[in-house]
Amino acid sequence: DAKTTQPTSMDCAEGRAANLPCNHSTISGNEYVYWYRQIHSQGPQYIIHGLKNNETNEMASLIITEDRKSSTLILPHATLRDTAVYYCIVSGNTPLVFGKGTRLSVIA
Amino acid sequence: NAGVTQTPKFRILKIGQSMTLQCTQDMNHNYMYWYRQDPGMGLKLIYYSVGAGITDKGEVPNGYNVSRSTTEDFPLRLELAAPSQTSVYFCASRNWDRGSNQPQHFGDGTRLSIL
Repeated sequence: DAKTTQPTSMDCAEGRAANLPCNHSTISGNEYVYWYRQIHSQGPQYIIHGLKNNETNEMASLIITEDRKSSTLILPHATLRDTAVYYCIVSGNTPLVFGKGTRLSVIA
Repeated sequence: NAGVTQTPKFRILKIGQSMTLQCTQDMNHNYMYWYRQDPGMGLKLIYYSVGAGITDKGEVPNGYNVSRSTTEDFPLRLELAAPSQTSVYFCASRNWDRGSNQPQHFGDGTRLSIL
């Protein structure tokens, strides 16, 4: 079973920041937090990952709490093309285990 | 750089037929994976490999076989197709070594229907 908890769905207005939360209270010290998204039935797309420090790339920012028990993915300016299912996954060197994710709908 | 390439993209099989889903990656990744995704569900791991000649079962391996004779290729075989194997199949790869934690990269999937 997935070791993360995410809301089933969220809405976000186009142009606003989308903040997607994830709880992972049982995360181990050597496990990273990964975020992927899946648009329609395409292959999952890697977004970002981190261990304990906050991370930023061209797609998003990842904020990890100091106790590492939760994190937030931030899409700074959501567009309609960001509508997708977003998966938060914790993993070390083991295969990724996917839960049901958060269905983000970006609304014009 | 093609990344992870899966063929075919679509296939319809009759019950009892066999087929091989192809997966190849050109990133020299040591780890490779096969997942399936049923409608409205998350991905489930079928098999994975940590290097050429090494394979291991995932969560749902029954009805499938794999081999890993080269670093690049990781084919998935269905010997006796059953309607329950109707799904979308995703292959992924990853480079892993101590001190490095790189993400998995996924192919575009093979949509398989068994009638």
